[in-house]
Amino acid sequence: QVQLQESGPGLVNPSQTLSLTCRVSGGSVSSNTYYWSWIRQPAGKGLECIGRIYTSGTTNYNPSLKSRVTISLDTSNNQFSLKLSSVTAADTAVYYCVRTYSSTWYDAFDIWGQGTMVTVSS
Amino acid sequence: SSELTQDPAMSVALGQTVRITCQGDSLRSYFASWYQQKPGQAPILVIYARNNRPSGIPDRFSGSSSGNTASLTIAGAQAEDEADYYCNSRDSSSNHLVFGGGTKLTVL
Repeated sequence: QVQLQESGPGLVNPSQTLSLTCRVSGGSVSSNTYYWSWIRQPAGKGLECIGRIYTSGTTNYNPSLKSRVTISLDTSNNQFSLKLSSVTAADTAVYYCVRTYSSTWYDAFDIWGQGTMVTVSS
Repeated sequence: SSELTQDPAMSVALGQTVRITCQGDSLRSYFASWYQQKPGQAPILVIYARNNRPSGIPDRFSGSSSGNTASLTIAGAQAEDEADYYCNSRDSSSNHLVFGGGTKLTVL
């Protein structure tokens, strides 16, 4: 059974870089079937896709965040990571790592981590 | 356009049928997937590729689409179906994945 687990600081200073890691167990980030995504959700608000990465290293980022986001794969440790630079209070949210199936006609976020709360504050 | 529009809130009487809709231009090219989120929990996938249910999802959940609108139908809603529901699709210009704003479903 595939499981995803986020880890990283729960508090980040404004203007600094938010860094999170997602460890994958029961499956491989090197799989050529899936993308690996980061999604966030501010308290009381909806879901926002930050971006995704494929085993080849191909990435796709939310245009509104693209200048600040880097998603990378660490195949040796079977994990993937998110870096979001120049954070502000607006980046405070629960961050989820998610396995993603993408085909020509549809996408599905099929396995989610439990989520980790990140607060941007001094 | 990459926007997906959902009604913010809906209600359904216990045992009745409810249809939650998602509208957007991208739905003319891509099938929607649907997610259920209960308070304090991560979302779960309930419908993918228009009308496919992952293992473990009750068959009272079904999906459909027509033109620029995708729908999630819950036939015989149960108390445990009270949750937020989100649709997602893909923006064809940026290839970025987007969500609707979510529908809060209340089971009366």
